[in-house]
Order: sequence, then C-alpha cells, then structure tokens
Amino acid sequence: AQSVTQLDSHVSVSEGTPVLLRCNYSSSYSPSLFWYVQHPNKGLQLLLKYTSAATLVKGINGFEAEFKKSETSFHLTKPSAHMSDAAEYFCVVSIGDDKIIFGKGTRLHILP
Amino acid sequence: GAVVSQHPSWVICKSGTSVKIECRSLDFQATTMFWYRQFPKQSLMLMATSNEGSKATYEQGVEKDKFLINHASLTLSTLTVTSAHPEDSSFYICSARVGQREGSSYEQYFGPGTRLTVT
Repeated sequence: AQSVTQLDSHVSVSEGTPVLLRCNYSSSYSPSLFWYVQHPNKGLQLLLKYTSAATLVKGINGFEAEFKKSETSFHLTKPSAHMSDAAEYFCVVSIGDDKIIFGKGTRLHILP
Repeated sequence: GAVVSQHPSWVICKSGTSVKIECRSLDFQATTMFWYRQFPKQSLMLMATSNEGSKATYEQGVEKDKFLINHASLTLSTLTVTSAHPEDSSFYICSARVGQREGSSYEQYFGPGTRLTVT
C-alpha cells in the first residue's frame, strides 16, 4: 500500500536560516511526488513536483526537494527562511491511479 | 498556469438548509475533478472523484446522499451539502486534473477553498 509520512507536525526556524521539512513515502511503483503550501484560510499552491526526471527539483519561492529512492524520501528545503514562508506544507504522493495521498502536513513557524 | 476557482469563498447557513459550492476550471478543461474536506489543523480528506458526464465516485464513509456532486461540464463541478448540520462545518476544497497522463506526470490544481459554517 502506498503512504506518505511527514515526520514533523511543527517546525520552527529563525528568519534567514535554512528550512528542512521531511517527507517519506511508501510505494511499490515509481511515484510522482509533490509539495504543496497552504496559507491560513487559503487553498493549496503547488511548490514543486517530481515526476521521474531530475532527482533534484526546484520550485517556486526558492524551495527545492530531492528525490532519494534509496531512502524513499522527498524532503523539502530552502536555504534562507522568510517570514512569508510561515504556512502549512503538505507532501503528496500520486501512484498509479487518479487518487493522491496527502501527508498530515507540517506547520512551519518562522521566528523573527 | 491552470486556475481553479470556487464560489462562494465562505458561506454561513442555518442547520437543515442546503448549500451549493461551485468549482470551475477557468482556462482548461477538466475531465476529472476532486472534492476534499479539511478539518481544522488536519490534512485533506478526499471525499469524491467527479468525472464529467458520469456519477461521482465517493470515498468510503462519505454519504453520497448528503454530499451531492454534479459534474455537468468540462469546466464545472458542484458540491451540494444537503440538510447541513453543524458537524458539516469545514473547509471544502476542489481540484481539477490537468491534461492527459504522461507517465506519472499529471497533477491536480486546487481551488482556493470554501469555508462552510453551519449554525
């Protein structure tokens, strides 16, 4: 069965420091992997996606993620956090059918 | 990029009434749309998959007689919450699948969501 696990429900970093949001997946097939961001009372915005091309994926707003098959991971990173990055982040996996599976989300807090 | 809109963005209704939420793909045709529900501080839960011109496929535990989904055209899907109760208060988000599947590259674009409050 496929699943996605976001290892941290909350992450706090200081403004200007690196961000790391962790995501592990379980899949019997080659997955498509996505990161979405949701600001309070807003819909979801696609940050980036992995679809079996380059393993290092660059997204919007300076975010990037690396697909590591051996570790079944797709962690989201950003070199320098900005106050506007404070939001909920969802790791999502799509495998083999129309449905996608959401992680439980990671709330990112940015400390001034 | 692909844009999905929802209307209304928020709605307050009285218990026992019905509420309709619209989901539109503005610049593309979406053969498949999805409806999600999000409880506070929780992840999204898929409620149903809606294919244009056919009946929606509901996830286990979702009452299809309560949450009526219609996908009458390639750019519009509606979710009607019938006889709403306070426990139906939630954030409802739709998404639309873009284009054709190429390998495993398709993705969904999400609407901005509708906040439903039932009093």
